[in-house]
Amino acid sequence: DSGVTQTPKHLITATGQRVTLRCSPRSGDLSVYWYQQSLDQGLQFLIQYYNGEERAKGNILERFSAQQFPDLHSELNLSSLELGDSALYFCASTRGQGASYEQYFGPGTRLTVT
Amino acid sequence: GNSVTQMEGPVTLSEEAFLTINCTYTATGYPSLFWYVQYPGEGLQLLLKATKADDKGSNKGFEATYRKETTSFHLEKGSVQVSDSAVYFCALISRTGNQFYFGTGTSLTVIP
Repeated sequence: DSGVTQTPKHLITATGQRVTLRCSPRSGDLSVYWYQQSLDQGLQFLIQYYNGEERAKGNILERFSAQQFPDLHSELNLSSLELGDSALYFCASTRGQGASYEQYFGPGTRLTVT
Repeated sequence: GNSVTQMEGPVTLSEEAFLTINCTYTATGYPSLFWYVQYPGEGLQLLLKATKADDKGSNKGFEATYRKETTSFHLEKGSVQVSDSAVYFCALISRTGNQFYFGTGTSLTVIP
């Protein structure tokens, strides 16, 4: 158990809909990373927050957005869903930022868009 | 830019065989390098890391050496077990950045 929690574990929804994925980092961790894992694209970095502020952006679509709240939990919002958005979404947390800090991954949310 | 290239899988080995999974990287400056492992149905876990050239990371019988001259960080294990069956990811983070870059993952299956 990494100490990172993600809800829900599974989500099935229809095209065009909007969903929110939630991540609670390990106690004391200030930084949260979001990743998308699909069979054909591997693990893609989406976005990173540190202590409530966006710090790095990867291959995140404009239909997706995220935020980190004062209690440090984070939410990833996916809207106008398409079939291709079906994937595993992971969050990871670190104590600080940069190369010195190990990432701890949550168990993931499996999103299926039908 | 930064990127990681891993050998394509899947890899199937018999128990007690020698394992090598190749990983090469492109990075600005001197990154830190990592191997993560993902067991079925779980998130990624850090397996080992190396933060500077010639460092050797090791854990659970796995080893990888940070080779600056060949920009490589190959994962090795002398004798694999069935319980090592998983997907292995090579990753880097640059000294000045916040973003981790992952390879595409290599699936390993160990058969008894």
